[in-house]
Amino acid sequence: RKEVEQDPGPFNVPEGATVAFNCTYSNSASQSFFWYRQDCRKEPKLLMSVYSSGNEDGRFTAQLNRASQYISLLIRDSKLSDSATYLCVVNGAGGSYIPTFGRGTSLIVHP
Amino acid sequence: DTAVSQTPKYLVTQMGNDKSIKCEQNLGHDTMYWYKQDSKKFLKIMFSYNNKELIINETVPNRFSPKSPDKAHLNLHINSLELGDSAVYFCASSHSGDSSDTQYFGPGTRLTVL
Repeated sequence: RKEVEQDPGPFNVPEGATVAFNCTYSNSASQSFFWYRQDCRKEPKLLMSVYSSGNEDGRFTAQLNRASQYISLLIRDSKLSDSATYLCVVNGAGGSYIPTFGRGTSLIVHP
Repeated sequence: DTAVSQTPKYLVTQMGNDKSIKCEQNLGHDTMYWYKQDSKKFLKIMFSYNNKELIINETVPNRFSPKSPDKAHLNLHINSLELGDSAVYFCASSHSGDSSDTQYFGPGTRLTVL
């Protein structure tokens, strides 16, 4: 099993739709979790950290389920500008600070 | 004003050559990283330096040698380039290297080995 797994998609949704991505991780000792966004031919940028109690930032909601070892990202009221690849990042397993990136989930929002 | 900068942005070279990529951050961060993103889009960490000291060295051929002259710079030298080295190389930095730190990425260097 890969350390961090994501469905590569693409997820094709109309504007205004709600879409959710999941990301599973294999190491139960992982400490920190993030969602990054990567636009085509650009660098990854932090979208949001994921906290144990779940957190929201505008239209974006991130949740962590330690028992099942997955994190999720929910995007409400999708905009055309949300089209990008969303990378799940898991960090700090077993005292190691090696960040592990998932391969990303591609989102395409169409008019 | 660029927080993390890399040069060059594009690098096209022949197999067997030696090349370097430079990275600089002006964020005052202590930790810098090199990542490789291959054609399948996997982003994999190669090296990490904290205050000029190597702290992460993943399974990378020893043709790749990072050098950190000071904590604001982390350069990557590649000897005897191979076709499989073609990828986008991203430099990144974070405040202290703690697992909860946000990473800030440079714009990437697209390396093509012919």
